[in-house]
Amino acid sequence: ILNVEQSPQSLHVQEGDSTNFTCSFPSSNFYALHWYRWETAKSPEALFVMTLNGDEKKKGRISATLNTKEGYSYLYIKGSQPEDSATYLCAFETNSGGGADGLTFGKGTHLIIQP
Amino acid sequence: DVKVTQSSRYLVKRTGEKVFLECVQDMDHENMFWYRQDPGLGLRLIYFSYDVKMKEKGDIPEGYSVSREKKERFSLILESASTNQTSMYLCASADREGARRGYTFGSGTRLTVV
Repeated sequence: ILNVEQSPQSLHVQEGDSTNFTCSFPSSNFYALHWYRWETAKSPEALFVMTLNGDEKKKGRISATLNTKEGYSYLYIKGSQPEDSATYLCAFETNSGGGADGLTFGKGTHLIIQP
Repeated sequence: DVKVTQSSRYLVKRTGEKVFLECVQDMDHENMFWYRQDPGLGLRLIYFSYDVKMKEKGDIPEGYSVSREKKERFSLILESASTNQTSMYLCASADREGARRGYTFGSGTRLTVV
């Protein structure tokens, strides 16, 4: 079983502040690194999928970076808003060549934005 | 709007019952997955399928089986439900380019076994 670690487990951030959290994953057999946002009572929603070392992706105030050689990814949120409150999941994907093998998820970072 | 639909949002079953959790996707995706989510453990892969009638064990397949008779439908079966199978179950699908577009999840079925 692959080990995907996320830190911190939970985070309280004041509205307007910026924040970031970490995902670490195996550096071997890498195919892709996914980030999802999971709001309460909703489905996890894909934020980013990154495949190349050095990848940097951005969606509005949220961005992510990827280092496959050392096995980590950062998610950044600039100017946090209450609607950013959610659990953020990262997931590691390998591919044995026969198709998608499923994602291995971290336990998530539970982010609470305080007004 | 692409969709993964899980048949029940909440389900209560008795120990020993045979339970079917249904998942349907309308995106013509080849790959479908079943995960369970438990507090402190994160999402764990139970079974997945990359084609009709194909199935592969994930990390925690014990006590479960699956069925994929049609491309759009992937069923998770609890042959004899036990209390330790009380959990949130999530279905997901992805096309062969899943690494580029991400997986699409259903809204989950919260199963309680009493």
